[in-house]
Amino acid sequence: GESVGLHLPTLSVQEGDNSIINCAYSNSASDYFIWYKQESGKGPQFIIDIRSNMDKRQGQRVTVLLNKTVKHLSLQIAATQPGDSAVYFCAENLNRDDKIIFGKGTRLHILP
Amino acid sequence: DGGITQSPKYLFRKEGQNVTLSCEQNLNHDAMYWYRQDPGQGLRLIYYSQIVNDFQKGDIAEGYSVSREKKESFPLTVTSAQKNPTAFYLCASSMDPSTDTQYFGPGTRLTVL
Repeated sequence: GESVGLHLPTLSVQEGDNSIINCAYSNSASDYFIWYKQESGKGPQFIIDIRSNMDKRQGQRVTVLLNKTVKHLSLQIAATQPGDSAVYFCAENLNRDDKIIFGKGTRLHILP
Repeated sequence: DGGITQSPKYLFRKEGQNVTLSCEQNLNHDAMYWYRQDPGQGLRLIYYSQIVNDFQKGDIAEGYSVSREKKESFPLTVTSAQKNPTAFYLCASSMDPSTDTQYFGPGTRLTVL
């Protein structure tokens, strides 16, 4: 998702439900994508990555889907827990570039 | 935080003073990065270094300076020329800047009074 000014888009999910966080990336030549989780006052933590030759990759409770046709990336979190509450950033790396471009983030809020 | 340390966690300085933020990694990573994060915002790249004794400006380098004398260390100096230095500063490193993910330190919150 995209944010405007100081207001991050927020996704509210009931504890135990699945969460889907979406991200539109900017460059069709990007070939490497990463999802990060950032808890309040801490540095971003790597969650999962995917390369452009794949359209799906699974980790523990997380799945990343890549749709290169529409330049869309999503992070699915199964059975969302209170500890999943954080801001989630997607990031893209242009092929052979040495920089990563970060999205503005989506705040995941867990409802009890 | 995976072998990347930043110090201090909180830093207060008076306006007009230079301040240096520390970043150290023991991951044997070649590349290191400095980002700035403002409330509710994403990360903006200040400087990055792919190898010792070499570094490049990122998107918002004005008012900042860096050095890379050792592979393990990439200190960032916030100078008095930086107009709005109060922010959360994040350091990251990666093995290969073009193919590998970046791993982040815990961050330093700088407040200029």
